[in-house]
Amino acid sequence: EAGVVQSPRYKIIEKKQPVAFWCNPISGHNTLYWYLQNLGQGPELLIRYENEEAVDDSQLPKDRFSAERLKGVDSTLKIQPAELGDSAVYLCASGQGRGTEAFFGQGTRLTVV
Amino acid sequence: AQKVTQAQTEISVVEKEDVTLDCVYETRDTTYYLFWYKQPPSGELVFLIRRNSFDEQNEISGRYSWNFQKSTSSFNFTITASQVVDSAVYFCALSGPASGTYKYIFGTGTRLKVLA
Repeated sequence: EAGVVQSPRYKIIEKKQPVAFWCNPISGHNTLYWYLQNLGQGPELLIRYENEEAVDDSQLPKDRFSAERLKGVDSTLKIQPAELGDSAVYLCASGQGRGTEAFFGQGTRLTVV
Repeated sequence: AQKVTQAQTEISVVEKEDVTLDCVYETRDTTYYLFWYKQPPSGELVFLIRRNSFDEQNEISGRYSWNFQKSTSSFNFTITASQVVDSAVYFCALSGPASGTYKYIFGTGTRLKVLA
């Protein structure tokens, strides 16, 4: 069974430029998460979807970040414009709902210069 | 509030030593879930175990074992006879309704270095 697939693995952009990350969850998983992981820290939730609905986006900086999950499968996370402080690893995970374990992709390492 | 504390930032052991990684959590939920994940240098978080708050039985899986104690709000992880391949960052996480929508609250991780 294929795991969570994220692309790209690495991205370097100049500040003020836009960037997008893509995630394909495990087939059949209705819950999808985007997490942000800064160096030396644990992941922190940006947004959580149940099917197409964003059920928790309270920590998503909505002035520059947006996300969508079309048809309740793949998801895209966008930053526009990127700032230096956005340099981090962006992790996507999927699961089967409340209380179950989430499975993570390899992440996208973003460097903003 | 929900919180996970991993007080050990980094641990170094020599191969074949046993090592215990500590995890202390805070929650007001009566039903909640605890997890351990491993993050090797490749970066992917690998799921190791899930425990629900009503199951305090300790669990053993090969060289790995977990000790869940509600009385002390701890969910510790022990690796027996450690190996170099165990070198990674290990995260403890908590999920429950008080977090809002069962999101995972992660600790700051413990970096384990196993020396040959």
